[in-house]
Amino acid sequence: NAGVTQTPKFRVLKTGQSMTLLCAQDMNHEYMYWYRQDPGMGLRLIHYSVGEGTTAKGEVPDGYNVSRLKKQNFLLGLESAAPSQTSVYFCASSSKYSGTASNEQFFGPGTRLTVL
Amino acid sequence: KNQVEQSPQSLIILEGKNCTLQCNYTVSPFSNLRWYKQDTGRGPVSLTIMTFSENTKSNGRYTATLDADTKQSSLHITASQLSDSASYICVVDRSYNTDKLIFGTGTRLQVFP
Repeated sequence: NAGVTQTPKFRVLKTGQSMTLLCAQDMNHEYMYWYRQDPGMGLRLIHYSVGEGTTAKGEVPDGYNVSRLKKQNFLLGLESAAPSQTSVYFCASSSKYSGTASNEQFFGPGTRLTVL
Repeated sequence: KNQVEQSPQSLIILEGKNCTLQCNYTVSPFSNLRWYKQDTGRGPVSLTIMTFSENTKSNGRYTATLDADTKQSSLHITASQLSDSASYICVVDRSYNTDKLIFGTGTRLQVFP
């Protein structure tokens, strides 16, 4: 199993350009998440999905859109990139909550995005 | 304010030595506390997950402790190896929910031979 994969690994954009980050998981997980990680800050949740066809906003959703058309894929879109979106983006997935506290999230390797 | 604070920010130790990383949190409500290891250029990988009723949990040379009364946790690494060089992130889950994780900023550990 590949686990959680992300494409691309690196990308440089100019201000105003758009792009889509792809996350794929092969663990049949219900839940998927997009985070950003910035220097000196903890990971922050952008958007998440609790199942195919559903999405919800996280802590820092502005400037991003997401789609979950297939259970195994979660797309993060930037419609008009801004320098403030320069960051490392991580996708994660987890199984559906079962009433226990051990709902571990599995992370992808990250996408390093620079917006000039 | 819900916060997770880790100390020290960075730590350098020699191979074979032990070390302890600290995590203090002011998160409420509390469901569980997690420690993740993040290698440079990689995504975080889970080391331990503890509920409020668990005081300690081990994963190989990693042992996490939790004091829910004082809202403190520690991660102890025994007989460090070069491969332990990484950032260690403390994460608190506020509830049995999908969007309630509060991440600390991490402790960067460097192990030298």
